[in-house]
Amino acid sequence: DGGITQSPKYLFRKEGQNVTLSCEQNLNHDAMYWYRQDPGQGLRLIYYSQIVNDFQKGDIAEGYSVSREKKESFPLTVTSAQKNPTAFYLCASSPGTGTYIDTFGSGTRLTVV
Amino acid sequence: AQSVTQLDSQVPVFEEAPVELRCNYSSSVSVYLFWYVQYPNQGLQLLLKYLSGSTLVESINGFEAEFNKSQTSFHLRKPSVHISDTAEYFCAVLNSGGYQKVTFGTGTKLQVIP
Repeated sequence: DGGITQSPKYLFRKEGQNVTLSCEQNLNHDAMYWYRQDPGQGLRLIYYSQIVNDFQKGDIAEGYSVSREKKESFPLTVTSAQKNPTAFYLCASSPGTGTYIDTFGSGTRLTVV
Repeated sequence: AQSVTQLDSQVPVFEEAPVELRCNYSSSVSVYLFWYVQYPNQGLQLLLKYLSGSTLVESINGFEAEFNKSQTSFHLRKPSVHISDTAEYFCAVLNSGGYQKVTFGTGTKLQVIP
C-alpha cells in the first residue's frame, strides 16, 4: 500500500545536537511538507518542497533545514539553533503544489533531554 | 491570505448524542475546505473534503459537513457519536487555483463520554 513512512517514532536529543527526521513516500507525489504540532497550536508549516532539488521556507523555518535530493525522500534536520525543538513532527504529501494534502505520516515525537 | 478559526478547543459529548464542531474561514477567493481527524500519537487522516458541487459532503463513518459561503463556515456534524469518535479534528482551507498551501485550524478535541 502507498503511504508515508516517518522514522523514528520517538527521538531524544541532547542540548546542542543536530538530529535528522526521516520521511519517505511511495505515492509518486511531487509536493512534500513538514509540520510541527504543539498542543493548542494546530499545525505550523516548517518547510515544503514542490519538486526535487527545490524547497521553500514555511512559517517557522528558523532552526530547521531540509533537502530534497530524491522525489521519495524529504528529511528534516532540527539544528542546535532551534531553541525549543520538543514537539510532534508530521510529514505530509500531495500530488502537486496547490493540491490538497491527502496523506500524512504517523509522526515523530522529538524530546530534548 | 487565508485563515481558519476553530473556536472550540474541546467538545465533550455523551455517547449517542449529536455533535457539531465549528469551523469558520476567511479568504478573498474561492476555497476548498477539509476536515481531518487525528487519533492520539498518530498522523492526520483526511475525513472529508469540499472541492465543488454539492455543499453537503459526507464521510464513510457518518460525519457530514456543509459549506456555507454566506457564513464562511464548514461545520462538522454527526447525529450520533460513538466512543471511537474520540479524537482531535482539524479544519483546513486551501485557496483554489495558484500555488497555495493548506492552512489548518488549531483543532477541536472531541471527547465522547460513555
